[in-house]
Amino acid sequence: EPEVTQTPSHQVTQMGQEVILRCVPISNHLYFYWYRQILGQKVEFLVSFYNNEISEKSEIFDDQFSVERPDGSNFTLKIRSTKLEDSAMYFCASSPGTGYGYTFGSGTRLTVV
Amino acid sequence: TQLLEQSPQFLSIQEGENLTVYCNSSSVFSSLQWYRQEPGEGPVLLVTVVTGGEVKKLKRLTFQFGDARKDSSLHITAAQTGDTGLYLCAGVSGNTPLVFGKGTRLSVIA
Repeated sequence: EPEVTQTPSHQVTQMGQEVILRCVPISNHLYFYWYRQILGQKVEFLVSFYNNEISEKSEIFDDQFSVERPDGSNFTLKIRSTKLEDSAMYFCASSPGTGYGYTFGSGTRLTVV
Repeated sequence: TQLLEQSPQFLSIQEGENLTVYCNSSSVFSSLQWYRQEPGEGPVLLVTVVTGGEVKKLKRLTFQFGDARKDSSLHITAAQTGDTGLYLCAGVSGNTPLVFGKGTRLSVIA
């Protein structure tokens, strides 16, 4: 069964450093998403991406965050200058269209120290 | 902001028992989705319901979407230890991205 692949599975970084989280969505899906889940809290929407541009973003997705689809297969989330409160599980997801269920990756556990 | 309230937050039952968990909102959704999440993993889609009053069955799991498309329920018959996990409901309204509830953490004891 097709799956969404995320790398790395774990990332530890120092506060103020830049991190790039990588995702390979399902190949024939058109919509791509990043969500995060702080330990013990609910899954929160960050950003959606369609037709090579951001279609929607949440309040969490401030100027420190950016997304890219550099080569037609990878979908990346960059955090420019990490803060302690960015520590969370980051999930990438894709869907074939609106109204369809999402397929999530296994996540990247980001720890900012 | 669309909010989804899930209840109960925690549920611990004996193997073989039946259970129902609920997902409620004051907002109308074009579809509601149920996911199951294991520790350290991403949510896995169980079902999508789109029509008010719709009922879908997945083996021992029965999902219902409320007539007004504001609420949903998940009923598990004869729970098994393998059903243990975090059950999340999530809603979509129009073209807005999926919004999640906090989940119901189910523990099925042998």
